[in-house]
Amino acid sequence: GNSVTQMEGPVTLSEEAFLTINCTYTATGYPSLFWYVQYPGEGLQLLLKATKADDKGSNKGFEATYRKETTSFHLEKGSVQVSDSAVYFCALTYGGATNKLIFGTGTLLAVQP
Amino acid sequence: SAVISQKPSRDICQRGTSLTIQCQVDSQVTMMFWYRQQPGQSLTLIATANQGSEATYESGFVIDKFPISRPNLTFSTLTVSNMSPEDSSIYLCSVEGPGKNIQYFGAGTRLSVL
Repeated sequence: GNSVTQMEGPVTLSEEAFLTINCTYTATGYPSLFWYVQYPGEGLQLLLKATKADDKGSNKGFEATYRKETTSFHLEKGSVQVSDSAVYFCALTYGGATNKLIFGTGTLLAVQP
Repeated sequence: SAVISQKPSRDICQRGTSLTIQCQVDSQVTMMFWYRQQPGQSLTLIATANQGSEATYESGFVIDKFPISRPNLTFSTLTVSNMSPEDSSIYLCSVEGPGKNIQYFGAGTRLSVL
């Protein structure tokens, strides 16, 4: 079946450090891939997405590339800020009429000043 | 994008009681979704709710336990019935956005059952 596996947290970094959060997936066909972010006390927000192989999603300095050969969609940022502290969820949708999302377990990122 | 309001934001309930969670959207949407996030786990889809028809439940979730209403295109409710401590979770509603395959989420309802 379809599934998403992402690295366990928490990830603790100092401000301006480089961030990588690993995400791999299992899916039949050609899923769309997403990163959602959940800031404290808020709902999930779409951070970026990619809909086909080799697509790169980017937003707010974050990037992720859809790698079909390694079934991965790792999230990266060159220089994190304290305001990036949040829980990050990797997800996929296998389309169809209802666009159901399958989520990874989430990774807590804590950025220290 | 869509703005989604969920009520209540949190609640503490007694075993055996029921809680109804409300989800209000600032625009008309066709599909609304209800998710559960158990402690330390990922989000799991409970059901999909379309206006004017019965909700479609995912495997492991039944209507008697999680009845859903969808009276119009901007509103839905999820009831957690006959609660037990195992129902302690965050419950989130989401809607399908104007962009393909994009969902927008409410802030969630944090439920604790004693």
